[in-house]
Amino acid sequence: EIVMTQSPATLSVSPGERATLSCRASQSVSNNLAWYQQKPGQPPRLLIYGASSRATGISARFSGSGSGTEFTLSISSLQSEDSAVYYCQHYNSWPLVYTFGQGTKLEIK
Amino acid sequence: EVQLVESGGGLVQPGGSLRLSCAASGFSVSLHYINWVRQAPGKGLEWVSVLYSGGNTYYTDSVKGRFILSRDNSENTVYLQMRSLRAEDTALYYCARELWLQTSSSPSGAYDLWGQGTMVTVSS
Repeated sequence: EIVMTQSPATLSVSPGERATLSCRASQSVSNNLAWYQQKPGQPPRLLIYGASSRATGISARFSGSGSGTEFTLSISSLQSEDSAVYYCQHYNSWPLVYTFGQGTKLEIK
Repeated sequence: EVQLVESGGGLVQPGGSLRLSCAASGFSVSLHYINWVRQAPGKGLEWVSVLYSGGNTYYTDSVKGRFILSRDNSENTVYLQMRSLRAEDTALYYCARELWLQTSSSPSGAYDLWGQGTMVTVSS
């Protein structure tokens, strides 16, 4: 069973700065990695799929990188609206698994 | 408008049953992979099940034998029949559409459309 571990659990960054969120897989997951943003009372919103492809309508301030076991979500020029919990998610077609990380809470100071 | 709308949640006693609905508009559920993802109060996301466009279904181990997915193409709706419910099934249940990669004609494993969720509470 592949475990996805996100760090840090909470990140506090000032407006205008860059936030870097990490997601580590317990074994290689190739580039089958997605990132989501979830604000209170809302469903998750897809930001990144395939480790680095931005979903439709997502700002270029959001970028994903990595492959294998180490992945990063970067958010530049932070704004108050970026305050949310961010989840990474791994997918594999066989055996079929969809595994989420435990989330990183991003706070804007 | 392209959207998913869940319904059917509620309060049920342990051992009881519920049927959740996921009604789609703006696209055909029969042409997409539709997943259910749940989120226990104050917790993270957990994948529950998926219904492939071809009709195959898959479930996470903890719900196998208790949950059943089905689809009504005429209603453009996916159903999650839940039986033998347990306290640990208490969660907000989302249905979500899986993004299809046109370039490779394959599923991405990522969910590009989510409903607002329906709450299931299992308690006596």
